Amino acid sequence: AQSVTQLGSHVSVSEGALVLLRCNYSSSVPPYLFWYVQYPNQGLQLLLKYTSAATLVKGINGFEAEFKKSETSFHLTKPSAHMSDAAEYFCAVSVAGNQFYFGTGTSLTVIP
Amino acid sequence: DSGVTQTPKHLITATGQRVTLRCSPRSGDLSVYWYQQSLDQGLQFLIQYYNGEERAKGNILERFSAQQFPDLHSELNLSSLELGDSALYFCASSVNPGYDEQFFGPGTRLTVL
Repeated sequence: AQSVTQLGSHVSVSEGALVLLRCNYSSSVPPYLFWYVQYPNQGLQLLLKYTSAATLVKGINGFEAEFKKSETSFHLTKPSAHMSDAAEYFCAVSVAGNQFYFGTGTSLTVIP
Repeated sequence: DSGVTQTPKHLITATGQRVTLRCSPRSGDLSVYWYQQSLDQGLQFLIQYYNGEERAKGNILERFSAQQFPDLHSELNLSSLELGDSALYFCASSVNPGYDEQFFGPGTRLTVL
């Protein structure tokens, strides 16, 4: 069965500091992996996705994620946090033809 | 704007009542997904349809049902409502099921009093 674990339900960083949001997955076959962002009172928006091409995936708003098969991880990073990055972030996994499995989400707070 | 529309935006009703939430997917998307988001449960997958057929079921209660119509819009029916059903209900759509990214609508906020 597929599952996603997001370590840390709340993460706080200072403005300008590195953002690191952790995601580990379990899948018996190569997965498709996604990061979504949810701003207050809005639906989820796709940040980036991994579909077995390059292991380092670049997304919108300066975010990127690296697929590490040996660690079954797909951590999301951004070199320098902006106030506008404050939001809820969800990691999701899908195996071709099956449903999505979302993590429990990580709330990012950016401290000025 | 994701291209997915949901109506109504807000819904306030009483326990025991029945409501219908409506979703129109992006043009060309054949898959529709329904999710429930609440503070205590997080984002829960409810059900998925592909081109009118039920494709996958998640944590959907028996009091809830859904369908996708020939024009691809979808409705989620919630009956015998309880206080605990108060939540944000999202619809999402994708071209293909499973590996294409999902595009989320703005959600319907349901309040059961």
